[in-house]
Amino acid sequence: AQSVAQPEDQVNVAEGNPLTVKCTYSVSGNPYLFWYVQYPNRGLQFLLKYITGDNLVKGSYGFEAEFNKSQTSFHLKKPSALVSDSALYFCAVRGVYTGGFKTIFGAGTRLFVKA
Amino acid sequence: DSGVTQTPKHLITATGQRVTLRCSPRSGDLSVYWYQQSLDQGLQFLIQYYNGEERAKGNILERFSAQQFPDLHSELNLSSLELGDSALYFCASSVGREAYEQYFGPGTRLTVT
Repeated sequence: AQSVAQPEDQVNVAEGNPLTVKCTYSVSGNPYLFWYVQYPNRGLQFLLKYITGDNLVKGSYGFEAEFNKSQTSFHLKKPSALVSDSALYFCAVRGVYTGGFKTIFGAGTRLFVKA
Repeated sequence: DSGVTQTPKHLITATGQRVTLRCSPRSGDLSVYWYQQSLDQGLQFLIQYYNGEERAKGNILERFSAQQFPDLHSELNLSSLELGDSALYFCASSVGREAYEQYFGPGTRLTVT
């Protein structure tokens, strides 16, 4: 089965500290992986993606993600957290199905950055 | 602002009724996706249209239907509404049909009473 797991419901970090939001996946074939962020009462915003190439992917707002094929992980990272980074973060994978592709989202991880 | 628009922002209706949600994709995007977000189910993919044709189907109930028009806007029709249909409904769009990065609208919050 194709799936995405975000093992932490919530991550708390102090402003200025590095942050990591974890994601593991299971997919047939080559993984196409994404991170999205959702602020309160807003739609999801695309942050970054991994399709192929360098395992470290850089995205918007200083975020980056590390693809690890052996561990089937795609963790989101930022060297120095900001209070404004507090939001709901979704990891997603493109799953292959008969006749097309579907994006499967994880359950989301709520990030709290304390001043 | 993603460039994807959805109307209405809020909708309150009664059980058994039918509603239509509307989405206009970003300029140049040919794919439209519909998602349902609820506290218990998370973000669930419903359906994708590409250039007017159904491309992929997810967990869409038979009471729900969608279409994409020649001008590429899309409508999601929800009928025989139940209390459990109360959720945020998001539309997203992308350039191609291969479900790469998607750009989400602000959502329509549906409350069924």
